[in-house]
Amino acid sequence: GAGVSQTPSNKVTEKGKYVELRCDPISGHTALYWYRQSLGQGPEFLIYFQGTGAADDSGLPNDRFFAVRPEGSVSTLKIQRTERGDSAVYLCASAVGREASTQYFGPGTRLTVL
Amino acid sequence: GENVEQHPSTLSVQEGDSAVIKCTYSDSASNYFPWYKQELGKGPQLIIDIRSNVGEKKDQRIAVTLNKTAKHFSLHITETQPEDSAVYFCAAPKTSYDKVIFGPGTSLSVIP
Repeated sequence: GAGVSQTPSNKVTEKGKYVELRCDPISGHTALYWYRQSLGQGPEFLIYFQGTGAADDSGLPNDRFFAVRPEGSVSTLKIQRTERGDSAVYLCASAVGREASTQYFGPGTRLTVL
Repeated sequence: GENVEQHPSTLSVQEGDSAVIKCTYSDSASNYFPWYKQELGKGPQLIIDIRSNVGEKKDQRIAVTLNKTAKHFSLHITETQPEDSAVYFCAAPKTSYDKVIFGPGTSLSVIP
């Protein structure tokens, strides 16, 4: 069975541009998470979806960051007016969503803002 | 949210030796304690976890011990192999599907 997939694997953009990062969770997983990982650090939580709704978006750093999951499956993380400080690996994870549920991580999208 | 500290930040061992990584947390409501392994260029992968009603769990060469009173838990890897080289992260969320607040990570190097 397929794991969590993320596209693109690498994205290079210029400061001020808009980017979209996509996450395809494991089929049937209702919970979906976005994390951001800077070099040499642990992943940092951004947002958590349960189904279509954002159950916890407390990790989004500012209003330039937005994520959607319109049909409760694929999710898109959107970053407006990118800044050099947004450069990081963006990780997505999914989980069944019930108690005793493991989070499975995708390989990440490496975003570089020039 | 919970505050997780992890020690050591780097660890180098000879192949075949044991490795121990320790985590401390501050939130007494934490009930789930996972350990993740992250290899270069990959996402974190859960390798073992333990819940608050259990003191120790073992899976082949990997074990985790939990001291809830002292708020610390440890990862033990025995008979280390070069493929164990990676960054290891601990976390202490309230449930297994809660957001994961990762520790700073321990970079383990196993020298052949």
